[in-house]
Amino acid sequence: KNEVEQSPQNLTAQEGEFITINCSYSVGISALHWLQQHPGGGIVSLFMLSSGKKKHGRLIATINIQEKHSSLHITASHPRDSAVYICAVRSNTGNQFYFGTGTSLTVIP
Amino acid sequence: DGGITQSPKYLFRKEGQNVTLSCEQNLNHDAMYWYRQDPGQGLRLIYYSQIVNDFQKGDIAEGYSVSREKKESFPLTVTSAQKNPTAFYLCASRRQGSTGELFFGEGSRLTVL
Repeated sequence: KNEVEQSPQNLTAQEGEFITINCSYSVGISALHWLQQHPGGGIVSLFMLSSGKKKHGRLIATINIQEKHSSLHITASHPRDSAVYICAVRSNTGNQFYFGTGTSLTVIP
Repeated sequence: DGGITQSPKYLFRKEGQNVTLSCEQNLNHDAMYWYRQDPGQGLRLIYYSQIVNDFQKGDIAEGYSVSREKKESFPLTVTSAQKNPTAFYLCASRRQGSTGELFFGEGSRLTVL
């Protein structure tokens, strides 16, 4: 059983579309992270949140602690947004992180 | 600029050989991690360290070893005992405490021939 589940696994969108990626988790957490992995393999952190909502440019992340669910939204998607988006949670019982399997996003011009 | 440097980016190894992957950070982070990434799976923890000269096994530590002699450095050795070492390896670090974001290196891709 995976502690973190993401959906969809793969997503193709037309440029300009609004995109939503979902993440559900089953453990108690101290924080949830949204990460972006480009084809070269390096990973960058997009958001770290423990409640509510955060916005950075065209990216918005929300979390509902009671429902153990988070969403990552991309407004006005662009081909440069094409990447794998990974949801990760930090356990509230220690330093352990749990990772989803990622959502592969392709934005077509 | 502060960050995490992993090397080499690509590495080929013959069966039976040990290899060491380098991870260096200049972020002054206490905690460092090694993860393995395989297609279709989430990142899996190999080892982590919260302080110099101390480290703990993760979920898939068998066949791997680490050291943490300096705060900046956390090298990973993939030994010949690791049965399926071909994978993408990621090093990460974070500041201790609840607000510490995870920072990742660019990864090292190991292929066993």
